[in-house]
Amino acid sequence: AQSVTQLGSHVSVSEGALVLLRCNYSSSVPPYLFWYVQYPNQGLQLLLKYTTGATLVKGINGFEAEFKKSETSFHLTKPSAHMSDAAEYFCAVSIDSGGFKTIFGAGTRLFVKA
Amino acid sequence: DSGVTQTPKHLITATGQRVTLRCSPRSGDLSVYWYQQSLDQGLQFLIQYYNGEERAKGNILERFSAQQFPDLHSELNLSSLELGDSALYFCASSVGPAGNEQFFGPGTRLTVL
Repeated sequence: AQSVTQLGSHVSVSEGALVLLRCNYSSSVPPYLFWYVQYPNQGLQLLLKYTTGATLVKGINGFEAEFKKSETSFHLTKPSAHMSDAAEYFCAVSIDSGGFKTIFGAGTRLFVKA
Repeated sequence: DSGVTQTPKHLITATGQRVTLRCSPRSGDLSVYWYQQSLDQGLQFLIQYYNGEERAKGNILERFSAQQFPDLHSELNLSSLELGDSALYFCASSVGPAGNEQFFGPGTRLTVL
C-alpha cells in the first residue's frame, strides 16, 4: 500500500537557520510528489511539485525539494527561515492506481524562533 | 485567494442529522476533490470527481456521498452524523484528472454536537 511519512510532527528553527522537513514515501509505481503549506485557518497552498524531469524542484517563497528515488524521499529545504514560514507543511503523493489518489502525510508544524 | 469557494464556512448540527457542503471549483478546473481534516486522523482524501464522473475514491464512509453537477460544482452529503465527523472539510480543484496541482478552498468547519 502507498504511504507518506513525515518525520517529526513539530520542527523548531531559529530565524535565519536552515529549514529541513523530511518526507519519505512508499509506492509501487512512479509517483507525483507535492509539498503544500497550510497557514492557520486557511486551506492548503502548493509550494512545489515533482512530476518528471529534474529531480531538484524549486518552489515559492525560497523553498526547494529534491526527489531521490533510491531513498524514496522528497525532503523540503529552505536555506534561511523567516518568521512568516511558521505554518504546517504537508507532503503528498499522487499515484495512479485504479484512479489517481492523493495521499497526504500527517504534516509537520514549523516553528520559527526570533 | 485560490479561486475555490466553499459554503458554508461553519456548520453546527446534532448527531443523527444530515448536512450538505458545497464547493465551486476554479474557473476551468474539471476535477473536484474532497478531504476531511481532523486532529486525530490528519488530512484524509475522500473522493474525486472529474467532469461529472467519480474518478477516485479514498476513505469515504458509506454515510457520506458526493456528486459533481453539470456546472462542475460539487456537493458532499454527510448523513447520520456522529460526533467523530466533526472536522474541517476541504474541497480542492484541478485542471486535469490526475497528478495536477490542486487548489484548495478555505474549508467548511463542521461541528457535530
